Amino acid sequence: LAKTTQPISMDSYEGQEVNITCSHNNIATNDYITWYQQFPSQGPRFIIQGYKTKVTNEVASLFIPADRKSSTLSLPRVSLSDTAVYYCLVGDVPGGGYNKLIFGAGTRLAVHP
Amino acid sequence: GAVVSQHPSRVICKSGTSVKIECRSLDFQATTMFWYRQFPKQSLMLMATSNEGSKATYEQGVEKDKFLINHASLTLSTLTVTSAHPEDSSFYICSASSGAGGGEQYFGPGTRLTVT
Repeated sequence: LAKTTQPISMDSYEGQEVNITCSHNNIATNDYITWYQQFPSQGPRFIIQGYKTKVTNEVASLFIPADRKSSTLSLPRVSLSDTAVYYCLVGDVPGGGYNKLIFGAGTRLAVHP
Repeated sequence: GAVVSQHPSRVICKSGTSVKIECRSLDFQATTMFWYRQFPKQSLMLMATSNEGSKATYEQGVEKDKFLINHASLTLSTLTVTSAHPEDSSFYICSASSGAGGGEQYFGPGTRLTVT
């Protein structure tokens, strides 16, 4: 499984756009990129996944450059409730499926008023 | 999305006793479930992969005789922490996959175990 590297922590303010970049230099051709969000004392929650270029859903956008060695999760206009840990994972099944997921350290995002 | 539940949400037990945690997929069948452990301020650590009708596959360093996993049906997997000690105090999370041939993993809400 490709290893991922993310910033340990980030700070932002309400209403700002937050971009969290994840490096995955050893990503394989068949690997998808998936981001999860975790609040304290809760299980992770799926946010978004992609393979290449750009993916957008109701909560976030995911930007993936052509070489796919990194990806950027973009959260538009964050609120206090977006304070959480964000994990970037890569694997050859979209969303994980039956494959075991190996979580990295994640990025702890703190949104301030 | 699919729902995965865990029971209990939190449990306190005395050192030396055993504790069973249940993981259920409420609206889908899950051939494979996963068990994770998470210590405060740390990431999730995969403990084992639970396959319905067969033995679980444990990650390196996880004692299979201490963390007993049973996946007796397509909607239920259980993790039993045997002879629990204070160092087993942690947040235990399960996940399950919803679709044949792949599909998103859904995580349970977690179980907080405190061993006194």
